[in-house]
Amino acid sequence: SQKIEQNSEALNIQEGKTATLTCNYTNYSPAYLQWYRQDPGRGPVFLLLIRENEKEKRKERLKVTFDTTLKQSLFHITASQPADSATYLCALDMSSSNTGKLIFGQGTTLQVKP
Amino acid sequence: GAGVSQSPSNKVTEKGKDVELRCDPISGHTALYWYRQRLGQGLEFLIYFQGNSAPDKSGLPSDRFSAERTGESVSTLTIQRTQQEDSAVYLCASSLYGGATDTQYFGPGTRLTVL
Repeated sequence: SQKIEQNSEALNIQEGKTATLTCNYTNYSPAYLQWYRQDPGRGPVFLLLIRENEKEKRKERLKVTFDTTLKQSLFHITASQPADSATYLCALDMSSSNTGKLIFGQGTTLQVKP
Repeated sequence: GAGVSQSPSNKVTEKGKDVELRCDPISGHTALYWYRQRLGQGLEFLIYFQGNSAPDKSGLPSDRFSAERTGESVSTLTIQRTQQEDSAVYLCASSLYGGATDTQYFGPGTRLTVL
């Protein structure tokens, strides 16, 4: 079965630096990969979706890459701010019929220090 | 407009009791998902409703778990004879059409604690 691995150790960086989070998956390559942000006590919030034929996707200070050969996605936050501190989850569609049934990684917690 | 709402926000129950969790999706969203998130873990898919189609129950961990949805509105997740391993946050999400590229909007979750 498909598994997703994210670095379970928290990532601590200084304000203004670029944060890079990693998502690795096993088995088949999904057609789509998504990234979510989750704050304590809240549900995840969708950030970006990247398709298998897209190498890179950007949205403001966020950038996502998708390497189907390495079975890996990287999530970058440039010019990081303390408000970016949260847990970031990557997710794949686990259904062959692309119904949006998502499998999530356990998330990586990012702490941006002022 | 209003987002996805869930109730109760917290539920403490004794082992062996039944619990019912409620989800109110965004109005007009035809797809509804339930996920479970154990402490420090990723979200686990439980069940998926799309319009009037039969629900996809492939993620339900045991026959103690069931869910219903009334049309394209409220959904309830029922856990019978709760066990301590059922303790988790139960999250509901809805999306407009239910496709893989459709944004899922999550509720705040119900934190279930089984003593």
